[in-house]
Amino acid sequence: DVKVTQSSRYLVKRTGEKVFLECVQDMDHENMFWYRQDPGLGLRLIYFSYDVKMKEKGDIPEGYSVSREKKERFSLILESASTNQTSMYLCASSLGTGDNQPQHFGDGTRLSIL
Amino acid sequence: AQSVTQLDSHVSVSEGTPVLLRCNYSSSYSPSLFWYVQHPNKGLQLLLKYTSAATLVKGINGFEAEFKKSETSFHLTKPSAHMSDAAEYFCVVTRTGGFKTIFGAGTRLFVKA
Repeated sequence: DVKVTQSSRYLVKRTGEKVFLECVQDMDHENMFWYRQDPGLGLRLIYFSYDVKMKEKGDIPEGYSVSREKKERFSLILESASTNQTSMYLCASSLGTGDNQPQHFGDGTRLSIL
Repeated sequence: AQSVTQLDSHVSVSEGTPVLLRCNYSSSYSPSLFWYVQHPNKGLQLLLKYTSAATLVKGINGFEAEFKKSETSFHLTKPSAHMSDAAEYFCVVTRTGGFKTIFGAGTRLFVKA
């Protein structure tokens, strides 16, 4: 079974801090994704990566950056955290580039910015 | 362009009765469609996927879905609900190239004893 591990389940930070969310997958998947999930808004794609050091903006990249130095690890960075970034963050990975490849999700990080 | 609409934000059933969660999609080409389930404070888990091999797709935990091209629907069903099925369910379609994925808004399933 694919395992996607997010480093923290719950995180509390202060406004203006630089925040790192880490995600590791153990199945050698090419693609990795970061989403945020908010009540009434569903899942929204922040960034995705289709290879090491490659990244593409999703639907809501503002205020975020990402890093993928190794194939198994995809980091989401909040450059200067703000209260409107309080949310549940979900990491996912998938194999290859075919449309029929499902994404495998971690358990999420619930981030609160005070 | 692709889109997906889950027709019900909440569905409530009694334990042992059938479940129907409705999903309509829009796609300019033959889509790949998925259903995921999310239990509280958990990530999304794949229930089943449609990739044009067969129109009736069987998934885990007794769920299945039927792809109906003429109706542009991909409804999720289960013959008999169990208390453990209470969760949020997402219908998903992939965009061209497979990198980007469109999620429905979700349907929360309540199961009454």
